[in-house]
Amino acid sequence: DTAVSQTPKYLVTQMGNDKSIKCEQNLGHDTMYWYKQDSKKFLKIMFSYNNKELIINETVPNRFSPKSPDKAHLNLHINSLELGDSAVYFCASSQGQGVGQPQHFGDGTRLSIL
Amino acid sequence: SQQGEEDPQALSIQEGENATMNCSYKTSINNLQWYRQNSGRGLVHLILIRSNEREKHSGRLRVTLDTSKKSSSLLITASRAADTASYFCATDPQQGGKLIFGQGTELSVKP
Repeated sequence: DTAVSQTPKYLVTQMGNDKSIKCEQNLGHDTMYWYKQDSKKFLKIMFSYNNKELIINETVPNRFSPKSPDKAHLNLHINSLELGDSAVYFCASSQGQGVGQPQHFGDGTRLSIL
Repeated sequence: SQQGEEDPQALSIQEGENATMNCSYKTSINNLQWYRQNSGRGLVHLILIRSNEREKHSGRLRVTLDTSKKSSSLLITASRAADTASYFCATDPQQGGKLIFGQGTELSVKP
């Protein structure tokens, strides 16, 4: 069984479009995250939710809006996509609220903006 | 600025050899974690070492932590071709409330 699953795996779209990425975890974890990994493999946190509440919101453009309908799901909606948004986006989850817990990652969504 | 820096950026060895990767960081931490990322996949947690620990083992992995030098190393013994991946250190700073990842070491193990 997949622990953290993201859809879609690949997303190719035009500049200016709006798109969503979905994430689900079946580990019973309380905390979920979105990370962005650039072409140099630099991984940076974007958002973190604990039991559906936003606890980390990095300096991310407000075109990015996370939504957590329940603690097992954390979706990411992106408005007005720009060329610089091209990257791999990873969802992750961990037990408890402490960020020091080991994190479990999905396999990523590869977003390409044409 | 980035908390963790890894060295070397790339490492190529023969199967059976040992691989050592280093990580340096800047601020006081609660713990330090190592992750592996295979090509096209997500990160997989390998090992966590707390700030009051100096060494930890897990199978063929050995991690050391020197808080006075703000550095850690990951040793993979008797490497296998399947160990080919990128390896990342991640620090849990005492101030900040988020894991901060280094840029990784790309390990290539040739059969």
